[in-house]
Amino acid sequence: GAGVSQSPSNKVTEKGKDVELRCDPISGHTALYWYRQSLGQGLEFLIYFQGNSAPDKSGLPSDRFSAERTGGSVSTLTIQRTQQEDSAVYLCASSSSQVMAYEQYFGPGTRLTVT
Amino acid sequence: SQQGEEDPQALSIQEGENATMNCSYKTSINNLQWYRQNSGRGLVHLILIRSNEREKHSGRLRVTLDTSKKSSSLLITASRAADTASYFCATDKGASYIPTFGRGTSLIVHP
Repeated sequence: GAGVSQSPSNKVTEKGKDVELRCDPISGHTALYWYRQSLGQGLEFLIYFQGNSAPDKSGLPSDRFSAERTGGSVSTLTIQRTQQEDSAVYLCASSSSQVMAYEQYFGPGTRLTVT
Repeated sequence: SQQGEEDPQALSIQEGENATMNCSYKTSINNLQWYRQNSGRGLVHLILIRSNEREKHSGRLRVTLDTSKKSSSLLITASRAADTASYFCATDKGASYIPTFGRGTSLIVHP
């Protein structure tokens, strides 16, 4: 079946512009995660959605970052007034809380470059 | 801050040799997972081991967990060039279902 998809795969933007990154999780997966990964680094947790519960936003680095998940499916990560330090690969993952608990399925990522 | 830290940071071996990577963590965990990442893009899940388990196998992969030492190891036997990738451990703890990832081990397998 279809895996997690993300769009765009690459995004180049000018400093100060807003960007939106999209994630389509695996159908039926109730949990959705956003991470970012800077070059050669591990994954930095950003935000977690689980079903209809309030999202865990504890990883968002500043109020310029926000995310939504509509209808329990597609999620959009928005970065306002982008800065050069926002350049990274943004990874989305989904998981089913009912089977193989906590195994995450990752999308291919969006590589964001802020010039 | 990182919960899990992989060791070594980089590992270079010849095809056919075994590769061992370690992960250490600071506080008690519920689960520990290992993931592989090729070319800096999406991660692929390899194995999940729960805190009450000590060893799991999957094909050429063997994972051990020592909760008394707060450490885990990933062994890849008879390595292949295709195993070249970065390997990450991820732990979750308490009531949080959010895995925390280490910085990874970069494995290069020379043909």
